[in-house]
Amino acid sequence: QVQLVQSGAEVKKPGASVKVSCKASGYTFTSYYMHWVRQAPGQGLEWMGIINPSGGSTSYAQKLQGRVTMTRDTSTSTVYMELSSLRSEDTAVYYCARQIVGATNGHYYYYMDVWGKGTTVTVSS
Amino acid sequence: DIQMTQSPSSLSASVGDRVTITCRASQSISSYLNWYQQKPGKAPKLLIYAASSLQSGVPSRFSGSGSGTDFTLTISSLQPEDFATYYCQQSYSTPRTFGQGTRLEIK
Repeated sequence: QVQLVQSGAEVKKPGASVKVSCKASGYTFTSYYMHWVRQAPGQGLEWMGIINPSGGSTSYAQKLQGRVTMTRDTSTSTVYMELSSLRSEDTAVYYCARQIVGATNGHYYYYMDVWGKGTTVTVSS
Repeated sequence: DIQMTQSPSSLSASVGDRVTITCRASQSISSYLNWYQQKPGKAPKLLIYAASSLQSGVPSRFSGSGSGTDFTLTISSLQPEDFATYYCQQSYSTPRTFGQGTRLEIK
């Protein structure tokens, strides 16, 4: 079955970087874009960006531009999200989520159908 | 960026109640609207996509409607497992913005 398995929890100091992985299985890795979404403690969902595992193209949230990098390794069906210059506000659970394109009534719609279980990143001195 | 605003932010209801959550977009997004359910400590789960299409495996008591800027998620008869937080999300453009969430609690 389709699965996204994320790497384990991380504790980082302010100013450091973190790299979270998301290994896909059960489907053709290069056929589906992948999103990253984060959730600070007690807060809502925040979209971080998207990567095309086929060509590697990316699109990032404006507020994270310059600090976030999403990459992929097609040989291991893994996508990565690296966040640099960490600050306390980056403490959150980070999720990867597969994007599906569905056709309904002659239109194409985009949604996140499978999510990883999340990776907790704690930034603390 | 497109802003998504949900109401109410929280809601208390009883098992068997009919519940409606609304989501408003800051500009027209046609039917590019998805609904997710999240339980504490868990990843979000897709319920509805394209405003009104039920994701496979989701109970039929969940339904979605709307287009343009105004959308609703309705649960026809609340079950104990439905107490959770619900998020709308637009997929019309990037950034893919979410509503702030609606917490559904047991009365």
